[in-house]
Amino acid sequence: AQSVTQLDSQVPVFEEAPVELRCNYSSSVSVYLFWYVQYPNQGLQLLLKYLSGSTLVKGINGFEAEFNKSQTSFHLRKPSVHISDTAEYFCAVNNNNDMRFGAGTRLTVKP
Amino acid sequence: DTAVSQTPKYLVTQMGNDKSIKCEQNLGHDTMYWYKQDSKKFLKIMFSYNNKELIINETVPNRFSPKSPDKAHLNLHINSLELGDSAVYFCASSQDPSGPQHFGDGTRLSIL
Repeated sequence: AQSVTQLDSQVPVFEEAPVELRCNYSSSVSVYLFWYVQYPNQGLQLLLKYLSGSTLVKGINGFEAEFNKSQTSFHLRKPSVHISDTAEYFCAVNNNNDMRFGAGTRLTVKP
Repeated sequence: DTAVSQTPKYLVTQMGNDKSIKCEQNLGHDTMYWYKQDSKKFLKIMFSYNNKELIINETVPNRFSPKSPDKAHLNLHINSLELGDSAVYFCASSQDPSGPQHFGDGTRLSIL
């Protein structure tokens, strides 16, 4: 069975600072990896996805993630965050309709 | 136009009642899902339907039953509601079994 671990439940940062949200996965088969963002009282919005090809994936809102097979990681990064990036971020792994989510990381951007 | 829409957005009801949440997607996707998000934001898949066939049914009480009248709709019926059912329920859809899923805005269910 596949699973996802998000290593940090909360990440506070100052505006314009860089941020990395960590995600590790476990799976016995080829995986497809995703990052979603959830703003307050809203559904999940896809930030980026890794299906195959280049291990560096660029998403919306200036986010990017790097797939590292040897370390089974898919960390999310942004070089300079804005107040509006404050939200809950979920890493997920999908194998044939079986989508598993991490517990989420609360990113709080302070002025 | 909203791609995945759920109604109602909020549902407040008493223990023991029966309620339904509706979901519609206009993306032409083949598979639809229901998720439960608890108070700690943990997301757990409940059901998925592909062409009216149940694919995944996690350890969900049989008080919960999905019903799909057609490919664009997957409704969630809940019988004999309990306090522990209070949560946010999300509907989602996807075209590719291993691809991204598109989520609705959620239905916040509160049991009194």
